[in-house]
Amino acid sequence: QSALTQPASVSGSPGQSITISCTGTSSDVGSYNLVSWYQQHPGKAPKLMIYEVSKRPSGVSNRFSGSKSGNTASLTISGLQAEDEADYYCCSYAGSYVVFGGGTKLTVL
Amino acid sequence: EVQLVESGGGLVKPGGSLRLSCAASGFTFSSYSMNWVRQAPGKGLEWVSSISSSSSYIYYADSVKGRFTISRDNAKNSLYLQMNSLRAEDTAVYYCARGDPYSSSPIHFDYWGQGTLVTVSS
Repeated sequence: QSALTQPASVSGSPGQSITISCTGTSSDVGSYNLVSWYQQHPGKAPKLMIYEVSKRPSGVSNRFSGSKSGNTASLTISGLQAEDEADYYCCSYAGSYVVFGGGTKLTVL
Repeated sequence: EVQLVESGGGLVKPGGSLRLSCAASGFTFSSYSMNWVRQAPGKGLEWVSSISSSSSYIYYADSVKGRFTISRDNAKNSLYLQMNSLRAEDTAVYYCARGDPYSSSPIHFDYWGQGTLVTVSS
């Protein structure tokens, strides 16, 4: 049950777009279209932003989008806003369990 | 409105036990799989355990297998986590999270509680 690999940090200016990568293996990300992404502000509970690779829950801005290629999933945030500054975690089903990434701190400059 | 409220956290000595509870409201609890996810101080998220809607399917992370037991009471809209043989590395905020209504396996988590802190220290 090894963790998925995410960059420790990314940054961008307001209005720009950023992409966070999430690399797994052929046993998790590469085998299932069941990747999800969570946003977590300091001291708060995580919030589901993307599920099943690219689906957005009701109420989540369409500035957030997800994709997958091979063993790597990606979260793209367009039109960066100050409120997007948070930690982001990817998660993948791996056959009877899920594995999270180590998290990426997004800084809005 | 979906609400998940955890309780039962606290300070416990290594080797001790603790039972966490999660009270659910605002949705048909008996239709959803439920999960525990933890976060050590300053660290990332770690999935701990999942239970299907009827308790027929139960899954554990390797790190807690044999020490933790997940259960639920659909009549009381409640989820539980019995934690035995606790270790320092179990210190974390424990979140209760709702799973997918169409899968007995953990897939994604659409609602989370605010968490309860478990500290294992002598």
